[in-house]
Amino acid sequence: KAGVTQTPRYLIKTRGQQVTLSCSPISGHRSVSWYQQTPGQGLQFLFEYFSETQRNKGNFPGRFSGRQFSNSRSEMNVSTLELGDSALYLCASSLKTGQETQYFGPGTRLLVL
Amino acid sequence: AQSVTQPDIHITVSEGASLELRCNYSYGATPYLFWYVQSPGQGLQLLLKYFSGDTLVQGIKGFEAEFKRSQSSFNLRKPSVHWSDAAEYFCAVASDAGNMLTFGGGTRLMVKP
Repeated sequence: KAGVTQTPRYLIKTRGQQVTLSCSPISGHRSVSWYQQTPGQGLQFLFEYFSETQRNKGNFPGRFSGRQFSNSRSEMNVSTLELGDSALYLCASSLKTGQETQYFGPGTRLLVL
Repeated sequence: AQSVTQPDIHITVSEGASLELRCNYSYGATPYLFWYVQSPGQGLQLLLKYFSGDTLVQGIKGFEAEFKRSQSSFNLRKPSVHWSDAAEYFCAVASDAGNMLTFGGGTRLMVKP
């Protein structure tokens, strides 16, 4: 069974631009969660989507948003990029929501100049 | 609020030596605990998990972890380290509000030949 895939793997943007990252979960998985990883703040939860509905949201500004499609694929969007948004963005999928085992993708590395 | 502490930021061991990585958690109820490993430039790979039952859990790559409720700990162990184990290791606890993982700051493991 294929794992979690994320596209693109690398991205360079400039301040003020917006960016959309994509995540395809493991087949049959209906929950997708997003995490941001930076050297200073470590791994932080962004949000979770299940059945096309946002279930939980971490402590991030409204510039960070996401959505989930009927096939469980998810996208996250960051508007008005700031230098501090440079990070590795990780997507994880699980069968359902709750305290489920999450399987992570390889991540998208975003550099904001 | 839940939290996870990994007291050791860096650990260096010789190849063939035993390994123990420490993890302490704070959580009000019975915790769902995980250990993940991250190689440079990669996503997170699940090593093992504890949900309930036997407090000694076995994982992949020869790793095991022991849940000790009295000490709020979930330490990761391996009897004999291989050079390929060099990576960063993260302990995490799952929220009961959904698929939200709270991670520790990570422990970077280096293996001396």
